[in-house]
Amino acid sequence: DTGVSQDPRHKITKRGQNVTFRCDPISEHNRLYWYRQTLGQGPEFLTYFQNEAQLEKSRLLSDRFSAERPKGSFSTLEIQRTEQGDSAMYLCASSLRGGTGELFFGEGSRLTVL
Amino acid sequence: AQSVTQLGSHVSVSEGALVLLRCNYSSSVPPYLFWYVQYPNQGLQLLLKYTSAATLVKGINGFEAEFKKSETSFHLTKPSAHMRDAAEYFCALRGANFGNEKLTFGTGTRLTIIP
Repeated sequence: DTGVSQDPRHKITKRGQNVTFRCDPISEHNRLYWYRQTLGQGPEFLTYFQNEAQLEKSRLLSDRFSAERPKGSFSTLEIQRTEQGDSAMYLCASSLRGGTGELFFGEGSRLTVL
Repeated sequence: AQSVTQLGSHVSVSEGALVLLRCNYSSSVPPYLFWYVQYPNQGLQLLLKYTSAATLVKGINGFEAEFKKSETSFHLTKPSAHMRDAAEYFCALRGANFGNEKLTFGTGTRLTIIP
């Protein structure tokens, strides 16, 4: 049983560039979540999918952020025109619908914007 | 609306001493509550969860937590700290009702173990 995997683990980019992160959830999980974590803070909810449908988006998810889960399996999170304030750890998690809400997290993708 | 408050952003205990990490919550519906642990540069790992069954919940690595509705608390304890327990700990909640699907996290408590 493989866990949640995220790629890349680390990304350094210059301000104004676009970046994309990929998340592969646990295979039988139909829910997928994106969270953002900055230094010294807890994870903050960004968005979640049930299968391919994006059911909720946080106000933290500005127009520069877009997430997709086209076939209900892996997901991508794209950030356009990156800003230094986007520097953070982006965490992906998955879960089973109908469960007790336990999320299984990947190891995260750390973004540094110079 | 729901929120989680973790009192003490940093806690230090001696090896072998009791660990107590505090979590209080606010929720308009019955909550499910969770404790996660995060080691440096890693994702979050579930320690234990309360889902309206037994109020005293046992988790991995010798940790346990007690749900106290009257105090709106879900404090995490371990009788004897070990060096490997040094990490960041997060309390989280979700409402135990359909449609309330995301976890809300506290700001975390960094646990340091003194040899």
